[in-house]
Amino acid sequence: DVKVTQSSRYLVKRTGEKVFLECVQDMDHENMFWYRQDPGLGLRLIYFSYDVKMKEKGDIPEGYSVSREKKERFSLILESASTNQTSMYLCASSSLTRQIYNEQFFGPGTRLTVL
Amino acid sequence: AQKVTQAQTEISVVEKEDVTLDCVYETRDTTYYLFWYKQPPSGELVFLIRRNSFDEQNEISGRYSWNFQKSTSSFNFTITASQVVDSAVYFCALSEAGFSGGYNKLIFGAGTRLAVHP
Repeated sequence: DVKVTQSSRYLVKRTGEKVFLECVQDMDHENMFWYRQDPGLGLRLIYFSYDVKMKEKGDIPEGYSVSREKKERFSLILESASTNQTSMYLCASSSLTRQIYNEQFFGPGTRLTVL
Repeated sequence: AQKVTQAQTEISVVEKEDVTLDCVYETRDTTYYLFWYKQPPSGELVFLIRRNSFDEQNEISGRYSWNFQKSTSSFNFTITASQVVDSAVYFCALSEAGFSGGYNKLIFGAGTRLAVHP
């Protein structure tokens, strides 16, 4: 069974803290994505990666960075968390060979609250 | 510009009612893909269906059916005889076939929250 896992379901952090959100997939997928989900806005792409050590900005990269040192792991980093980064964060992965169909597989999400 | 509109923010129905979730999209491409995802309370988005722009046949899968109409740029989703387990947020999404920045970008609508009451 395909699996995308995220390190935490719920996270509470304070303003200014450095926050790491981890995502791991076991499908040997080349592509990995980080989205944030906010009410009324759907899912918005923050960053994606199509290979180890490669990253591309999505639609809302400001305030975030990412790291992909291993194929199966994609980390989202909030260098200095702010209250407007309180949101649900979803990780996804997809296969390069089936990229044209864009079948993205999602993790369960991390609900981050920044106080 | 690509855009997906789900005008219904929330829908509430009683079990066994039929319900239709609307999705309207905008794209300049002639080749594209449309998707529906379900997000139950557990949070994980579950893939329901993918449709390419050349296939306008309606699809039925059990109690679920999808109506794709290119003339109105709509890809609506109907649940027949709804059940409590259908309660979730449903997202419609659009992907164009061409590569943009290295991958096929997936554009999501804002989602429709469906509540099915016993």
